[in-house]
Amino acid sequence: DTGVSQDPRHKITKRGQNVTFRCDPISEHNRLYWYRQTLGQGPEFLTYFQNEAQLEKSRLLSDRFSAERPKGSFSTLEIQRTEQGDSAMYLCASSLGSTFLDEQYFGPGTRLTVT
Amino acid sequence: AQSVTQLGSHVSVSEGALVLLRCNYSSSVPPYLFWYVQYPNQGLQLLLKYTSAATLVKGINGFEAEFKKSETSFHLTKPSAHMSDAAEYFCAVERNNAGNMLTFGGGTRLMVKP
Repeated sequence: DTGVSQDPRHKITKRGQNVTFRCDPISEHNRLYWYRQTLGQGPEFLTYFQNEAQLEKSRLLSDRFSAERPKGSFSTLEIQRTEQGDSAMYLCASSLGSTFLDEQYFGPGTRLTVT
Repeated sequence: AQSVTQLGSHVSVSEGALVLLRCNYSSSVPPYLFWYVQYPNQGLQLLLKYTSAATLVKGINGFEAEFKKSETSFHLTKPSAHMSDAAEYFCAVERNNAGNMLTFGGGTRLMVKP
């Protein structure tokens, strides 16, 4: 299966530590998205890339968050100085990027728990 | 700004009964609307999408949704529920002209009783 993969699937960290998540999109997909999903809520958009360019960031993405997609393939999302409020599922999605309505394919997510 | 509201965070039906999950949208322009399903420990999967063509949209697994502009609704239905339909369902709207980023509703958890 060559769907969207995310690593790790689960991460437990102590408050104040830095964490990094990785997303590998479907290989020919140009667009890559990050969403955050807290318990009992729908996913919320964080940021997206067109190839290696980060085109938009949500106001939810504070200065402690940074995302990269250096070669237009995989992407990383780093959270510095984690807080308990960062506990959530972080979802990655990718799409072809050829039209506005390309289907987004979601990965299984990384569940972050900050203790 | 576009948004969607899902009425009912939990819906319970008996196997074989009609499934109706409600979604209302708010948009100043014709919206593009989506339904996604999320099974436990899995990513979201697209069920169907409305893109201003036919107002009745058929999706996978026997689901369909009807776009009603007068009611600003996009409710999801399935004539006969199956145990395997138990999951979380999300309605979403695309933020126009913005790289098809999605705004999701709060989700509805569907439970199917035997």
